Amino acid sequence: AQKITQTQPGMFVQEKEAVTLDCTYDTSDPSYGLFWYKQPSSGEMIFLIYQGSYDQQNATEGRYSLNFQKARKSANLVISASQLGDSAMYFCAMREGGWSFGNEKLTFGTGTRLTIIP
Amino acid sequence: AAGVIQSPRHLIKEKRETATLKCYPIPRHDTVYWYQQGPGQDPQFLISFYEKMQSDKGSIPDRFSAQQFSDYHSELNMSSLELGDSALYFCASSLGPREAKNIQYFGAGTRLSVL
Repeated sequence: AQKITQTQPGMFVQEKEAVTLDCTYDTSDPSYGLFWYKQPSSGEMIFLIYQGSYDQQNATEGRYSLNFQKARKSANLVISASQLGDSAMYFCAMREGGWSFGNEKLTFGTGTRLTIIP
Repeated sequence: AAGVIQSPRHLIKEKRETATLKCYPIPRHDTVYWYQQGPGQDPQFLISFYEKMQSDKGSIPDRFSAQQFSDYHSELNMSSLELGDSALYFCASSLGPREAKNIQYFGAGTRLSVL
């Protein structure tokens, strides 16, 4: 079974609108971390936001917020007031378990290509 | 702020040749990770190092080897290159167990083309 599922291969959003990128995950480990990364066409992978499984509040970083619904195993990324520079591929990723030797890898979803329309 | 430095940024090799990719982590980061991203694919974990010891291993071919040096930089060595090795190779670094979040920060990647 896929550990990270991103069901939106592509999205088109008008500039200045808010956008929600979906991510669902599958794990039986009670301790895990969820990450969102942005990959512009230039190729680099940029960290956006982190949510820990035990965090009581949804994470926020500037225009980015994470809508964490633990019971539904979803971790959607919300970008407010979208800008042209937000056009990129967005990946949701998970690390299962807390940090431990031999348990650090990130598992990525297939990504969502977001295009902001002027 | 200093970021993860990868070199070279682009590399073109022939089949059966060898390649060495280098990664310089963010200062104070002692954990390094390597990922491979094929065209149109999501990144796949290859291998990681913590304090110069291999700490986790993913689907890394036997033709590939890696190590982390005393200054914490890491090198990924790839031998007998195949066409299917053409990909974007990322290095990431983190504070490892010293940070509960253990956020991995990625370099810009090395784009390897095997002809």
